[in-house]
Amino acid sequence: SYVLTQPPSESVAPGETASISCGGDNIERRTVSWYQQKPGQAPVLVIYYDGDRPSGISERFSGSKSGNTATLTISRVEAGDEADYFCQVWDSSSDHLWVFGGGTKLTVL
Amino acid sequence: QVQLVESGGGLVRPGGSLRLSCAASGFPFSINYMTWIRQAPGKGLEWLSSISSSGSTMYYADSVKGRFTISRDNSKNSVFLQMDSLRAEDTAVYYCARPINDYGDRSYFHFWGQGSPVTVSS
Repeated sequence: SYVLTQPPSESVAPGETASISCGGDNIERRTVSWYQQKPGQAPVLVIYYDGDRPSGISERFSGSKSGNTATLTISRVEAGDEADYFCQVWDSSSDHLWVFGGGTKLTVL
Repeated sequence: QVQLVESGGGLVRPGGSLRLSCAASGFPFSINYMTWIRQAPGKGLEWLSSISSSGSTMYYADSVKGRFTISRDNSKNSVFLQMDSLRAEDTAVYYCARPINDYGDRSYFHFWGQGSPVTVSS
């Protein structure tokens, strides 16, 4: 089955740029979505179609991918960005049709 | 606006059953796929099951196939998850979600419910 690998944690100072990676075999051939989840809350979509933002999501959030890695970039990080972030793709050959990464806990120092 | 409200979670003994419900509003429910996703304590997200708009096609993750059954009632704008033969490892928050583009490479989850916690313990 298809596996998405994320680092368990990342730390960034306020005002700096955070980059959260999501590794998967030939992920550049797949469409990637990203979700933000704060404690006790449901996930919120922040990026779809690799790099598009839903209405209401700050332009500080952007997405990209190349080769075997997709990246969520958060510029000018704020305290309110502290959360877990999950990447997601579709894989029809997996036992899980929608595959999520294990998640990355972003800590704002 | 789109609202998804889950109910039916709670404490159940191993081997027991539980039925989750998700009431939807704010969008044309009968023409949309619906999905259940869960999150074990301190863990990531796991897709469990999806159902087509008519209810004629269902998809399941191997981890729940044969134990969980997804269904829907378009007249009541509701989707259900019947969970049988529950195990301790099924303990999680269960989310109802509406996939955009139904399924396939360009599908994703824009709308989520608040989640319904399920605890399987003796």
